[in-house]
Amino acid sequence: DQQVKQNSPSLSVQEGRISILNCDYTNSMFDYFLWYKKYPAEGPTFLISISSIKDKNEDGRFTVFLNKSAKHLSLHIVPSQPGDSAVYFCAVTGANNLFFGTGTRLTVIP
Amino acid sequence: ETGVTQSPTHLIKTRGQQVTLRCSSQSGHNTVSWYQQALGQGPQFIFQYYREEENGRGNFPPRFSGLQFPNYSSELNVNALELDDSALYLCASSLMHSGANVLTFGAGSRLTVL
Repeated sequence: DQQVKQNSPSLSVQEGRISILNCDYTNSMFDYFLWYKKYPAEGPTFLISISSIKDKNEDGRFTVFLNKSAKHLSLHIVPSQPGDSAVYFCAVTGANNLFFGTGTRLTVIP
Repeated sequence: ETGVTQSPTHLIKTRGQQVTLRCSSQSGHNTVSWYQQALGQGPQFIFQYYREEENGRGNFPPRFSGLQFPNYSSELNVNALELDDSALYLCASSLMHSGANVLTFGAGSRLTVL
């Protein structure tokens, strides 16, 4: 029973353009939604989060949008940089854990 | 501020053996969680420890067990290893009741079961 789904396993974007990563979830009771980034041979690193009472949160080049009626979360990166190439996981908060999606591998082409 | 460190980084075991993985939490954190990440999947919650007691468990059998020590370091023990236990095991620390439950992850221990 997958709580979080990332339907795009990979995404390629030109440097300087916008990257949009998408995520769908099943349970409308989640409180917080998070994005993590993972480089090879490293653990996931927290990127940005949003509370269920908001619909947008921005941090520099990164913006997360939350559409509660559609149970949809997206991460916008603009402008994209080659250093952004990594696997991105969305996650939602459970009682005492996070439910992760399967990840989207972003490749930013110089 | 030290991050989360895990050991060993890689190990190979055979089916039926037992394994212990270790984790040191980030300074200032009092909660440790363990996740299993199989190839091509997202991390799956195994369990969480707070105040040296299990504080939640995912859908993993009892042969997966853990400990948290007074200094907030932790161990993950897996008995009777199966081939499907081959995965990256991630330890994460956090501060209980910190709102968004932001976890700080270690680099993981990659376990191969032959």
